[in-house]
Amino acid sequence: NAGVTQTPKFQVLKTGQSMTLQCAQDMNHNSMYWYRQDPGMGLRLIYYSASEGTTDKGEVPNGYNVSRLNKREFSLRLESAAPSQTSVYFCASDRTDYEQYFGPGTRLTVT
Amino acid sequence: AQSVTQLDSQVPVFEEAPVELRCNYSSSVSVYLFWYVQYPNQGLQLLLKYLSGSTLVKGINGFEAEFNKSQTSFHLRKPSVHISDTAEYFCAVSGKAGGSYIPTFGRGTSLIVHP
Repeated sequence: NAGVTQTPKFQVLKTGQSMTLQCAQDMNHNSMYWYRQDPGMGLRLIYYSASEGTTDKGEVPNGYNVSRLNKREFSLRLESAAPSQTSVYFCASDRTDYEQYFGPGTRLTVT
Repeated sequence: AQSVTQLDSQVPVFEEAPVELRCNYSSSVSVYLFWYVQYPNQGLQLLLKYLSGSTLVKGINGFEAEFNKSQTSFHLRKPSVHISDTAEYFCAVSGKAGGSYIPTFGRGTSLIVHP
């Protein structure tokens, strides 16, 4: 089992460019999540998907969109990147007892 | 609404000394509680969790935590730390929102173990 995989690992964007972060899990989990991690701020939830076909906003959804393509895949899109979106992005999925499994992260820099 | 407060942003300690990382939470509903560890340049991984039952929970790598409902706390302890325990530790609470349990993470505590 690969667990939770994320691509790319690193990305540099110019302000205004768009990109999609990909996430996939092979553990047959229903729920998937996107977080951003900034120094001193912990993890903040951007969007989550409780099941295939549903998505909901988290604490900091502005500037992002998501797609739950199927049970395995959950992508995060930045339509027009801003320097404030420079961060480390983590995808996670969880079991029915709510233990979360995290991907290795994507380090995004917006210049 | 729910929130998590990790009372110390950084905890320095010498190798083989005991350590306690403090976590307080607030929630209007019943919650599940978790501690995760993050090593440099990696994702988070679970140390331990409290869902129900015994309030003393044992996890991996010799860590344990005690759920105290009256004080709304879930402090993490280890009786003797190693250099390899140097990492960022996150407390998290999951309370029911709609039909799902949505997690909230604390800001993290950096544990620095000195030789």
